[in-house]
Amino acid sequence: AQSVSQHNHHVILSEAASLELGCNYSYGGTVNLFWYVQYPGQHLQLLLKYFSGDPLVKGIKGFEAEFIKSKFSFNLRKPSVQWSDTAEYFCAVKSGGGADGLTFGKGTHLIIQP
Amino acid sequence: EAGVAQSPRYKIIEKRQSVAFWCNPISGHATLYWYQQILGQGPKLLIQFQNNGVVDDSQLPKDRFSAERLKGVDSTLKIQPAKLEDSAVYLCASSLDPGVYEQYFGPGTRLTVT
Repeated sequence: AQSVSQHNHHVILSEAASLELGCNYSYGGTVNLFWYVQYPGQHLQLLLKYFSGDPLVKGIKGFEAEFIKSKFSFNLRKPSVQWSDTAEYFCAVKSGGGADGLTFGKGTHLIIQP
Repeated sequence: EAGVAQSPRYKIIEKRQSVAFWCNPISGHATLYWYQQILGQGPKLLIQFQNNGVVDDSQLPKDRFSAERLKGVDSTLKIQPAKLEDSAVYLCASSLDPGVYEQYFGPGTRLTVT
């Protein structure tokens, strides 16, 4: 069974700092990769996704992620965080073919201090 | 466009009681998912429907959990009897088409089993 590992469970940064959240997955075949975000009191929503093509994908609110197949990684980045980026971030993977349910990591709780 | 609706938002029951959750997906979305999110973990897929048929229920504890989507629209998830370890947030998500593949999540139902 595939699995997703998020390296940092809690991250605290100051505004304007750069952000990188790690994500590694175990599945060796074709994958679709996602980052979801859950702001306090809100639903899970999609930040960005990778299906194929350019391994550097851009999402909403200035976030981007890079798919590195050789490292089974899909790290999330943002050059300058804002207080409003405080949220829970989840990396998720869907293996190619078959059912479409996502396998999620445990999440990273990001706190941005003003 | 209305989002995914879920009810109730909160439920407290005693162990061995039964409980049901309701989900109304985004209009026109053929695929519906139920996830279980235990505190401190990422969502875990319980069951996926395509219209009113089950695509994947491999992680559904079928001795106590059941789900249906009779008319291919609304869905209910039932737990009978509940155990303490069922305390979690139950998330419903829908997508237009598996090939398009973006899941939209509802607000969830927070279940506490005492």
